[in-house]
Amino acid sequence: GNSVTQMEGPVTLSEEAFLTINCTYTATGYPSLFWYVQYPGEGLQLLLKATKADDKGSNKGFEATYRKETTSFHLEKGSVQVSDSAVYFCASYSGAGSYQLTFGKGTKLSVIP
Amino acid sequence: IAGITQAPTSQILAAGRRMTLRCTQDMRHNAMYWYRQDLGLGLRLIHYSNTAGTTGKGEVPDGYSVSRANTDDFPLTLASAVPSQTSVYFCASSDSRAGADTQYFGPGTRLTVL
Repeated sequence: GNSVTQMEGPVTLSEEAFLTINCTYTATGYPSLFWYVQYPGEGLQLLLKATKADDKGSNKGFEATYRKETTSFHLEKGSVQVSDSAVYFCASYSGAGSYQLTFGKGTKLSVIP
Repeated sequence: IAGITQAPTSQILAAGRRMTLRCTQDMRHNAMYWYRQDLGLGLRLIHYSNTAGTTGKGEVPDGYSVSRANTDDFPLTLASAVPSQTSVYFCASSDSRAGADTQYFGPGTRLTVL
């Protein structure tokens, strides 16, 4: 079945540092890939997505590129802010009759001033 | 636009009691989902419904039941709560009829079973 593996946290960065959160997937075919963000005390929100190989999703300064050759969808941001402190989840969607998302375990990011 | 609402926001429940978590969406999405979130385990799918009148089991369905009488509502019932069901529960929905795959989440219900 499908699976998503993302780097374990927690990750602590200083403001304006560069962020990378690694995510790799296993799936039959070519799934759509997502990054969701969960701010403290809230539900998950879609951050960005990519639906096919070499697509780049971007939002709020975050980017991730769908790499078929390495089955990866790493999340990056050039300069993090304190307001980016949250838990980030990588997820895949395989379609094919099932509407279910498969989530990674989440990576907690703390950004300190 | 409310999106997805969940009730209650939090609940403390004695073991053995019955509890229904409510979920309502106003986006007319065909598919709905229940997840539980536990530290170190991420989100795990409990049950899902691809359309009104149908439901399916997810990764961790034991001890839970769902119904989907109409498009908007998707309640999750714990027939006899146990402490291992202490968790944060999220309802989600998606419009999958056209192949769209983004899920939208509610704010969650924090449940403690003593």
